[in-house]
Amino acid sequence: TQLLEQSPQFLSIQEGENLTVYCNSSSVFSSLQWYRQEPGEGPVLLVTVVTGGEVKKLKRLTFQFGDARKDSSLHITAAQPGDTGLYLCAGWVNTGNQFYFGTGTSLTVIP
Amino acid sequence: GAGVSQSPSNKVTEKGKDVELRCDPISGHTALYWYRQSLGQGLEFLIYFQGNSAPDKSGLPSDRFSAERTGGSVSTLTIQRTQQEDSAVYLCASSFIGYGSNEQFFGPGTRLTVL
Repeated sequence: TQLLEQSPQFLSIQEGENLTVYCNSSSVFSSLQWYRQEPGEGPVLLVTVVTGGEVKKLKRLTFQFGDARKDSSLHITAAQPGDTGLYLCAGWVNTGNQFYFGTGTSLTVIP
Repeated sequence: GAGVSQSPSNKVTEKGKDVELRCDPISGHTALYWYRQSLGQGLEFLIYFQGNSAPDKSGLPSDRFSAERTGGSVSTLTIQRTQQEDSAVYLCASSFIGYGSNEQFFGPGTRLTVL
């Protein structure tokens, strides 16, 4: 059982569509991060959210941290082919010093 | 260089052989992490070094896996008596401070194939 479950696991959409990726856990996290990974490269940090209920926007990407700090979502508006990649949530569990990555969501945006 | 580097980029080995994977973190970063990633999947935590503290080895899958970090900088992940299930991309990351929301900077990974 993974501590951070992401859904959906795979997503293929047409350019211009909107999408939401979810990251859920039964544990409380002191902070959550979202990374994007392209083939053959390591993940790159997109955003960090630290406060329950926090919403951060990065151009067409909107990130939300759940009020109870157990879940997060990533919403992409008007997806573009350049958004294609593996999206990973990750975070520090509140009760210790363990850092966990989510199961990943593979996004393909078709031109 | 400015980023995390890993070598080799690709490694093909025969079952039963030992392999060493190297990671050069960003200079000045106190924390270093090793992860394993199967094709298109999330990252599996292996081991975490923070400064001079004892490493967190809780993610190592078996005693065939070990890692060292010499002088608080370069790290080597060693896999002894490799098995086919060890085939994966091994990613190294470093960050300035281990706790909290500090960003991890990843290397490009080493793709290990065990025949």
